[in-house]
Amino acid sequence: DGGITQSPKYLFRKEGQNVTLSCEQNLNHDAMYWYRQDPGQGLRLIYYSQIVNDFQKGDIAEGYSVSREKKESFPLTVTSAQKNPTAFYLCASSIGRLGVEQFFGPGTRLTVL
Amino acid sequence: AQSVTQLDSQVPVFEEAPVELRCNYSSSVSVYLFWYVQYPNQGLQLLLKYLSGSTLVKGINGFEAEFNKSQTSFHLRKPSVHISDTAEYFCAVDAGGTSYGKLTFGQGTILTVHP
Repeated sequence: DGGITQSPKYLFRKEGQNVTLSCEQNLNHDAMYWYRQDPGQGLRLIYYSQIVNDFQKGDIAEGYSVSREKKESFPLTVTSAQKNPTAFYLCASSIGRLGVEQFFGPGTRLTVL
Repeated sequence: AQSVTQLDSQVPVFEEAPVELRCNYSSSVSVYLFWYVQYPNQGLQLLLKYLSGSTLVKGINGFEAEFNKSQTSFHLRKPSVHISDTAEYFCAVDAGGTSYGKLTFGQGTILTVHP
């Protein structure tokens, strides 16, 4: 079955540590996205990539980094510079054309202790 | 910049009653509109989308939405809700331009269906 996988489902880290969240898709989509979700704030875009080896900052990129070396993979690193990293992180992908929907993974809940 | 406003953060309703979840967007240019549903601790699932044509759009699970260009609204409706409709609902807009495919989401509306 085609889809998006995110791992792990739950992640705990100590303050000051970098952590990398995995996102893989087998939908052959060109575009991939990372969102952060906090209660009452909807989804906020962190980074997006419309093609391999290229990515752009979203609305809240500070303290995060990404890479897009392969079409199917778009890992997100939450660095120690991110002041409030505890959140639910969602990865999505699409064929990257105007007006098409995004498909979402199941999410990773990150808790920084 | 695009903005999407969901006018109600929480909507409680009894089972089998009708429901409307309200969404307004800021752009006056052509837009593409979406409604997604999220069950607890899961990703988002597409309910329906408006690209062009008929302003009444039908989606999955008996939901429908009406696009109103003059009022820049895209309200979601269901004539009779079930307990299983309890979830959070998000309205989103793709305004195109150089950032085609990039969606701006509203803050979400939590729908709680009571027996």
